[in-house]
Amino acid sequence: QVQLVESGGGVVQPGRSLRLSCVASGFTFNTCAMHWVRQAPGKGLEWVAIIWFDGSKKHYADSVKGRFTISRDNSKNTLYLQMNSLRAEDTAVYYCARDLYRSGWDVDYWGQGTLITVSS
Amino acid sequence: QSALTQPPSASGSPGQSVTISCTGTSGDVGGYNYVSWFQQHPGKAPKLMIYEVTKRPSGVPDRFSGSRSGNTASLTVSGLQDEDEADYYCGSYAGNDNYVFGTGTKVTVL
Repeated sequence: QVQLVESGGGVVQPGRSLRLSCVASGFTFNTCAMHWVRQAPGKGLEWVAIIWFDGSKKHYADSVKGRFTISRDNSKNTLYLQMNSLRAEDTAVYYCARDLYRSGWDVDYWGQGTLITVSS
Repeated sequence: QSALTQPPSASGSPGQSVTISCTGTSGDVGGYNYVSWFQQHPGKAPKLMIYEVTKRPSGVPDRFSGSRSGNTASLTVSGLQDEDEADYYCGSYAGNDNYVFGTGTKVTVL
């Protein structure tokens, strides 16, 4: 069965950096685009970024463009999110999610999420 | 990109039907077939219920159905059951390599 397991969350000060990881199993990782989606406490879902199956294309929400970088290592079945210049408004549960297709845009399976708290 | 508009809440008694709307524009909901619905129970990850406007993933009960008219997509849950009480979010490709979710609807089973 499809499994996505995020890690790397925690408390970080404003302006600092953090890298999230998502290990995938139960499917052929290098045939699917992957997404990061976040959810602030008590709020709705917000799409963050997508990376194509081979890593050749990456796209970001305006709210994180220039600060966050999505990447993947298909040899390790792992998705990453490098988050720089973190702000209080980046506080959220971050989910990695699989896409049905190689280049988007059909999110299907989600991980359980990892909480990032940006606070001094 | 603005969030798609959903009603904050909806409710129904067990066995009844409830329909949730998701209103966007011709640049998202009305322009692409990448419209999905997700169910989220408290403290849990979202779960895909409907994709590509009307398709149901395997394992999702046929009580859940999706439709679209113009720039508004809808999710209908027929024969409401207690376990259907959850938050529901629509999502759509929004063009220009962007994706947008709805504001979310809390469904209560009375």
